[in-house]
Amino acid sequence: DGGITQSPKYLFRKEGQNVTLSCEQNLNHDAMYWYRQDPGQGLRLIYYSQIVNDFQKGDIAEGYSVSREKKESFPLTVTSAQKNPTAFYLCASEGYRELFFGEGSRLTVL
Amino acid sequence: AQKITQTQPGMFVQEKEAVTLDCTYDTSDPSYGLFWYKQPSSGEMIFLIYQGSYDQQNATEGRYSLNFQKARKSANLVISASQLGDSAMYFCAMREPYAGNNRKLIWGLGTSLAVNP
Repeated sequence: DGGITQSPKYLFRKEGQNVTLSCEQNLNHDAMYWYRQDPGQGLRLIYYSQIVNDFQKGDIAEGYSVSREKKESFPLTVTSAQKNPTAFYLCASEGYRELFFGEGSRLTVL
Repeated sequence: AQKITQTQPGMFVQEKEAVTLDCTYDTSDPSYGLFWYKQPSSGEMIFLIYQGSYDQQNATEGRYSLNFQKARKSANLVISASQLGDSAMYFCAMREPYAGNNRKLIWGLGTSLAVNP
């Protein structure tokens, strides 16, 4: 089945550690996005990529980094510089009109 | 400034009844798109329905319809014949027009819908 696969579904991190969230799509979409979701808030854009080897900062990029070496993959690294990383992270790719989302990754900092 | 407003933090509806979820938006551009997504407890965002600003008719997708009132800048989602599986968070979003390479959705804060048996 075509879709977006995010892993891991749950992740625990100690303070000061970097962690990488995986996002893979087999929909042959050019554009991919990373969003952060906190309780009671809408989605906030972290980074997006319109094409391989190119990406742009979103509204809350500080403390995060991404790469886009392959069309299918758009991993997100949450660095130790992100002061409040506990959140739900959603990856999406863009079709002709709408976004297609993965099931999300829930990151908890211990 | 917030551009998407969902005024109902939570809604209840009886199974098999219809329910309307409110969404108002703000933009000065004549070209825009409006989306509704459903987020069940599993977390995945599921696309429901789309309305373009130039579409002549209100969008419909199965039990979902969009009550689009352009002059009032509202795009309310109507769910007919509610089912227990409709219990979820519902988000309204607006796509801003292209501005260079900046292409993104503006999201509302969501409405939590509970369907009672």
